[in-house]
Amino acid sequence: GAGVSQSPSNKVTEKGKDVELRCDPISGHTALYWYRQSLGQGLEFLIYFQGNSAPDKSGLPSDRFSAERTGGSVSTLTIQRTQQEDSAVYLCASHRGPGQPQHFGDGTRLSIL
Amino acid sequence: SQQGEEDPQALSIQEGENATMNCSYKTSINNLQWYRQNSGRGLVHLILIRSNEREKHSGRLRVTLDTSKKSSSLLITASRAADTASYFCATDKGSNDYKLSFGAGTTVTVRA
Repeated sequence: GAGVSQSPSNKVTEKGKDVELRCDPISGHTALYWYRQSLGQGLEFLIYFQGNSAPDKSGLPSDRFSAERTGGSVSTLTIQRTQQEDSAVYLCASHRGPGQPQHFGDGTRLSIL
Repeated sequence: SQQGEEDPQALSIQEGENATMNCSYKTSINNLQWYRQNSGRGLVHLILIRSNEREKHSGRLRVTLDTSKKSSSLLITASRAADTASYFCATDKGSNDYKLSFGAGTTVTVRA
């Protein structure tokens, strides 16, 4: 596709449930990032995949968060046992390589009831 | 974590006027990027400026970078109602670390 695609656009779920968020990066982009945007914390980095290297997980807020990237393309961010503080917009970005602009999807707005 | 701060937090201007916003950061950087976010949407990339560059232009946008002061500015000339959005600066450290650290953003309202 022309841009980074994220699904679903919106997700409402009950506290304690698990959620999966999907990101389809721009074709040919080797690097993929997940960020979170919330009212209290602004925009913050979560996790980064670059080619076949081990992901940089340094931004994940707890062990309830995990992500994988299959076949060097699509990525799934999983949040287990969701809490209300997980409510945020989750943004995915990709870029062609070092020093290149990151291009963002429209995000998934996650609401935990 | 937030790398730095943006100033002002909010800006309201008349259509046709120029808008200037500033971004300060704390640690050495490799690249600095400016993004625009319309309400409820993703981030749109505007300009990337490298640490060895001082100024860059793209259409009505002008970005400056002063690494000695750890600051950058974004100027939007001849603003339009469609420029109404939030603007964020973001930095990376380079050296295989390209994750972005964002400022808190400036909300710009352009009045018709």
